[in-house]
Parts: sequence; C-alpha cells; structure tokens
Amino acid sequence: GENVEQHPSTLSVQEGDSAVIKCTYSDSASNYFPWYKQELGKGPQLIIDIRSNVGEKKDQRIAVTLNKTAKHFSLHITETQPEDSAVYFCAAPNRPGGYQKVTFGTGTKLQVIP
Amino acid sequence: GAGVSQSPSNKVTEKGKDVELRCDPISGHTALYWYRQSLGQGLEFLIYFQGNSAPDKSGLPSDRFSAERTGGSVSTLTIQRTQQEDSAVYLCASSTSTLAGADNEQFFGPGTRLTVL
Repeated sequence: GENVEQHPSTLSVQEGDSAVIKCTYSDSASNYFPWYKQELGKGPQLIIDIRSNVGEKKDQRIAVTLNKTAKHFSLHITETQPEDSAVYFCAAPNRPGGYQKVTFGTGTKLQVIP
Repeated sequence: GAGVSQSPSNKVTEKGKDVELRCDPISGHTALYWYRQSLGQGLEFLIYFQGNSAPDKSGLPSDRFSAERTGGSVSTLTIQRTQQEDSAVYLCASSTSTLAGADNEQFFGPGTRLTVL
C-alpha cells in the first residue's frame, strides 16, 4: 500500500510570509494528490489537488507542486493570513487509477502569527 | 446543498458499553468512508463502502468494530465493549464516482467525539 510522509509537523510563520509543507509518497503509480485543511472542531476540507499530468497548480494564494520522479509534492501558501491557521493534510491514493481510498499524511499544524 | 452529517456530535460512555455512531452522506454519493482521529493525530482509515461492493474493512483495529451501510446511504459504525483507547473523533466522508480521472474529493462530516471513561 501507499506510504505518505509529511513534514513539518508544526509550522509557525508571521502574517504575510509564505508557508511550505512537503509530502513524499511511495507508490510510483499514484496519480492524484489532494490537500485538505482542517479547522478546529471541523472535518477536513479539500483546498487543492493535483493530478500527475501536471507539475504545478495554483489557486489564488495556494499552489501545489508535484515531482513524480522524486515522488514528492508540496503545498505553498503565500501572503499567509490568520485564517490560514489550521491543520493541513496531504494524501495519496492507495492504488493507481480511479480508486478513491487514500492514505493521509500525519498533518501539519500551521500557525500564522498576526 | 446539505453536506455530510454525523450524530451524535459528542458521545460519552463508560468502558465496556457499546456505542453506535451515525453518518448521513451527501445524497447520490456512492462511496463512504470512516476514519478515526486521535487527539492531535492524523486520519486513520477504518472502513470503506462503495456502492453494492463488499466493504473494505482492512482498517478496522479489532473485531469490536463493525460498520454497515443500509440502502447505499446511511452508515452506522458500532463499537462493542468500548475501551479507553477508543476515545477519539470519528469522521465520516463521502465521495462520488470511482472512474479514473473523476473527481475524487472526499466530503467530510464534522465528526463524533467519543470519550470512553
């Protein structure tokens, strides 16, 4: 099965600075990599995802990059704001193709200091 | 539209009691997942239902845990003879098609916080 490692486990940044969270995966056949944001007391929510046919995807202040050769992908948040404070999880499918069962990383607690 | 709902939001029980946790997925979603999240930890996969296929129970930690999904919609996670180590937030998620290239987003409910005294 898929093994996903996520770093760092905690991250503190000043408001306005950038934050980067990195994940590695083990199954070279994996082709879908979502990122979820979990606010306190709520369930995780998808914020961005990337498929293996592209190397980068952006959505306003967030972006995800994918390096299939190295089997790692990263979440980039620019111009961080206090409302970005949350726990972020990366994930990768357990099997190739359209299977929806994913393995989640261990999470990164991001704190944006005003 | 309505999202994934879970009930109860909080459950406190005594060690050795059985508990049932309920999940109402988004209408039309064929896939349903249960996860366990211990305090400050990641998401531990428990079980996965897809349409009429046999569920993937590979994540259930012991035979005290079971789940069913009736009519392809509502799901119930049952924990028998609860132990203190079962204390956690239990999250349910649902999703749409399994076709390759389809949107694989999982929509999560708010979770049920279980405390075993």
